[in-house]
Formats: sequence, C-alpha cells, structure tokens
Amino acid sequence: QKEVEQNSGPLSVPEGAIASLNCTYSDRGSQSFFWYRQYSGKSPELIMFIYSNGDKEDGRFTAQLNKASQYVSLLIRDSQPSDSATYLCAVNISYGKLTFGQGTILTVHP
Amino acid sequence: GAVVSQHPSWVICKSGTSVKIECRSLDFQATTMFWYRQFPKQSLMLMATSNEGSKATYEQGVEKDKFLINHASLTLSTLTVTSAHPEDSSFYICSARILAGGRFDEQFFGPGTRLTVL
Repeated sequence: QKEVEQNSGPLSVPEGAIASLNCTYSDRGSQSFFWYRQYSGKSPELIMFIYSNGDKEDGRFTAQLNKASQYVSLLIRDSQPSDSATYLCAVNISYGKLTFGQGTILTVHP
Repeated sequence: GAVVSQHPSWVICKSGTSVKIECRSLDFQATTMFWYRQFPKQSLMLMATSNEGSKATYEQGVEKDKFLINHASLTLSTLTVTSAHPEDSSFYICSARILAGGRFDEQFFGPGTRLTVL
C-alpha cells in the first residue's frame, strides 16, 4: 500500500462547478497535511495546510481532514480554467519530511 | 512570503560530467532543506534532507556518493550530481523549512532545476 494515495484522475469539471480531490494516507501518526498545486513545468505551490480534524476554508478552497478515516480532501468552489493543474496531496511523516501522492490532474473547461 | 531560489533553472550537460545546483532561502533562515526529484508525469520523490552544518540524510535507494549535498549556511544548500548519466535527467526541486514561527513544518519550494544529460 502506498503511503499517500490520491483519487485517480484525470478529473474534468465545468467552469463554476465544485472540484473534489481526495487523498488517503497510511501512517496514523501523521500530523500535518498539505495540498499543493503544480502547473506543468513548474514547482509545487502551497494551497492549503491542515492539522486538525474538520474543515478549513480559504477563499474558494476548503480542506477537510478526518484522522480517524485517514482521509484528507480539497474542495475547489467556483472552479476556474486557471485552476487547471496537477494537485498534490502531501503528508508530513516525520521531521518535516513530506511524502507526496501521485497527483490528480484537474481540468476545468469553459 | 518566504522565497526560495534555485540556480540554474535549467542545465544541459554531457554524460560523465558533474552538475551543481544551488538552493537559497532569500528572506528567511532554513535549518533544513529538502531535495526532491520529479520524473515526467510522476510525483515528487524525496531524495535527501539537508541540515545546516551536518551531513545530509539520504532516502533509501539514493546514492549519497552520486548526489553530494552541502548545506554550508542557513540560507544555502547545494546538490551536486556527479558523473551524470542520461537516467539522471529530471526536474530537481529543493524546499526550505522555515526556522521559526508557528508553522514550523511549512516548506517553501524553489522553482526547480531541469537537468538534461546527453
């Protein structure tokens, strides 16, 4: 079992819709969770991080964490074509080391 | 926000040569920097953890004699790919962990260095 798994893509949603990205992790001791966005040929940029169970909202983005289920998700409301990118879920496994999921390619079509 | 730079942004070299990549935290001090490698259509894979003033810690399967890491100051870490071969062609990305503050484990990524070995 992979340490961090993301829902298989690619994911395609119409402009204005909600995009839902999911991620599960295997290490119950993981404490912090991150969502990064990566455009083709560029390095990842941090969208959100979450430490506590529940929801965390930042603008159009909402991260959800359920440690009992070892599940973290990212919702993007009012999706825009500029949101089209690869989204990477990352888990801090120890001492700041991040383990990344394989990524989900999101396409928002007009 | 915290800014991390990498130099060069891209490099092409001949097989057998060595290439040095620099990673700098521009406006903060980073006791820890991380080096990742990303092959096309794959995710980031952690290669090593670089700690200022001490030896780097390499992930399983990463050759420490091939990928030399030096973290000489709180703002600079270097990765040297020695005797590079075509299979080392990849996108190398560094990240820096902020020294202090509430978000102690937040990492800031550099823009990456694309290495092509001919």
